Amino acid sequence: QITLKESGPTLVKPTQTLTLTCTFSGFSLSTSGVGVGWIRQPPGKALEWLALIYWDDDKRYSPSLKSRLTITKDTSKNQVVLTMTNMDPVDTATYYCAHTHRWSVADNFDYWGQGTLVTVSS
Amino acid sequence: EIVLTQSPATLSLSPGERATLSCRASQSVSSYLAWYQQKPGQAPRLLIYDASNRATGIPARFSGSGSGTDFTLTISSLEPEDFAVYYCQQRSNMYTFGQGTKLEIK
Repeated sequence: QITLKESGPTLVKPTQTLTLTCTFSGFSLSTSGVGVGWIRQPPGKALEWLALIYWDDDKRYSPSLKSRLTITKDTSKNQVVLTMTNMDPVDTATYYCAHTHRWSVADNFDYWGQGTLVTVSS
Repeated sequence: EIVLTQSPATLSLSPGERATLSCRASQSVSSYLAWYQQKPGQAPRLLIYDASNRATGIPARFSGSGSGTDFTLTISSLEPEDFAVYYCQQRSNMYTFGQGTKLEIK
């Protein structure tokens, strides 16, 4: 059974750096084809893809946010970490991590965490 | 960036009716188009990937079609649990999502 859970601060101040951790079970990020992505959703708005890391440490970033994002993995801890610098109130959103697999679901997101709401405010 | 435009923004139907949701891409995404369902307070759920492949556990009343720039999600006979927001997503060039279609009970 695959599960993912996001953790991190619920409130950050403008200009601060956000660090979110995705802790997962039921799969390994050392298995060929596996990836973990981050997607966010501002309140009442649409989904926005942020970043993705694969089993082989291949990393992909949203072009519009690339300069602010870093994604890393710790295979031994079953965790993926996303950092976003220079936070702004427009970054207020629910942040989700999600599992993907290159071949079984063709790089789409088939298992999602419950999401964590991050508010950016002074 | 590839922009996905979904229509209509809101669709009002009754249980048992057929629902047709559209997604148009600003440039060809081949068949690299997925559909997700999201209910209030929940994470999205993958329904369809690569335009027409149902994800594991998705009922047969959900079907997808299209290629290039025009795609359709069809729900053949609406069940009460199908009323939700639906998003399309492309993976041809990174990932982008559409703005969503809200399927509401008439």
